[in-house]
Amino acid sequence: ETGVTQSPTHLIKTRGQQVTLRCSSQSGHNTVSWYQQALGQGPQFIFQYYREEENGRGNFPPRFSGLQFPNYSSELNVNALELDDSALYLCASSPLRDRERDTQYFGPGTRLTVL
Amino acid sequence: QQQVKQSPQSLIVQKGGISIINCAYENTAFDYFPWYQQFPGKGPALLIAIRPDVSEKKEGRFTISFNKSAKQFSLHIMDSQPGDSATYFCAASTIYNQGGKLIFGQGTELSVKP
Repeated sequence: ETGVTQSPTHLIKTRGQQVTLRCSSQSGHNTVSWYQQALGQGPQFIFQYYREEENGRGNFPPRFSGLQFPNYSSELNVNALELDDSALYLCASSPLRDRERDTQYFGPGTRLTVL
Repeated sequence: QQQVKQSPQSLIVQKGGISIINCAYENTAFDYFPWYQQFPGKGPALLIAIRPDVSEKKEGRFTISFNKSAKQFSLHIMDSQPGDSATYFCAASTIYNQGGKLIFGQGTELSVKP
């Protein structure tokens, strides 16, 4: 176990709705990244947060947004859900200011289904 | 330039055999190459990783071979066991690009037959 937790485990929404997914980073880790993993594919980078600020963003539209809190927990918000948003959403934490700063430890994921 | 190409897509190996999965990349700025293991319904788990200053790294039954000039790296699983049956992803990153975002390969589904 990595110490990264995510909630909820599963979620079902309908098209057009909004969703918030939550992540609690591993103790001592100050950087969190979010990834989207479609069925049968590798994870795709959504964005990264470091010290509560966005530190990079992948090729995802603005309706994907995030927050990082002082305790290093994080949220991923998706507005105006589309059917293609159905995927496993993964949170990964890493100790940025460390020799292993780019080592990312993943949580179990949240399975989102959009109907 | 940002792609990581992984092969094969699926692999069947007999118990005790050697599993070999290959990855190739284009971006010479990549400086960190991890391998992740993922079981159905679970998040990816870091298995082993290598940096370009070494050509090989071994941890237990798992070995990464790295060829910088060919821009290729591979995972070898020695004495493969049925419990190794999972999907394996290679990835690459550079800390100088968006804090080290991982670029993943497409994955290899490994099945180890008893």
